[in-house]
Amino acid sequence: KQEVTQIPAALSVPEGENLVLNCSFTDSAIYNLQWFRQDPGKGLTSLLLIQSSQREQTSGRLNASLDKSSGRSTLYIAASQPGDSATYLCAVLSAANQAGTALIFGKGTTLSVSS
Amino acid sequence: GAVVSQHPSWVICKSGTSVKIECRSLDFQATTMFWYRQFPKQSLMLMATSNEGSKATYEQGVEKDKFLINHASLTLSTLTVTSAHPEDSSFYICSARGGDRFYEQYFGPGTRLTVT
Repeated sequence: KQEVTQIPAALSVPEGENLVLNCSFTDSAIYNLQWFRQDPGKGLTSLLLIQSSQREQTSGRLNASLDKSSGRSTLYIAASQPGDSATYLCAVLSAANQAGTALIFGKGTTLSVSS
Repeated sequence: GAVVSQHPSWVICKSGTSVKIECRSLDFQATTMFWYRQFPKQSLMLMATSNEGSKATYEQGVEKDKFLINHASLTLSTLTVTSAHPEDSSFYICSARGGDRFYEQYFGPGTRLTVT
């Protein structure tokens, strides 16, 4: 059964710092991996989606990498801002029956960026 | 991107009553819909998967007689929490997949349920 782990569980940094969030998954047979942002009491905002054949995806100050064989992904946030404060969730989609199975989520990393 | 709506966004009900939550795909046909539950400071836990016109498949530990899921059309799925108890208080999020980008899941904004 696929398990997704995110480290650290919480992170506090001063504004302007670059940071890395880590995600690992136990079954490397994935179809894609997705990073989401969730603000308190709110739904999910998709940040980046990496297909299993890709190594990384970039959007603005965000860069996500994927090493499928080792079961790891990182989300790099450059020049962090207070508005980046949120919980970041990593989720994977199994390669088996990808149309019918659901994303499996990690527990998230709660980021706090102080000004 | 595709849009998924949920209604209501929040609801308070008394213990023992039933509550229905609707999930709609607004601009695409959702062949598969998923229901997740999220407790405070926890991650999203998959409750069930439903395909249009078929019975939902529930995850282990989720009571199918308590959480009734109906996916009657390609744009609507409903989750009914029957005989609600305070421990059912949670954030319920639906998700849908369909169309050409079948590998992407689109999420609704969630429904906050509080059972008193």
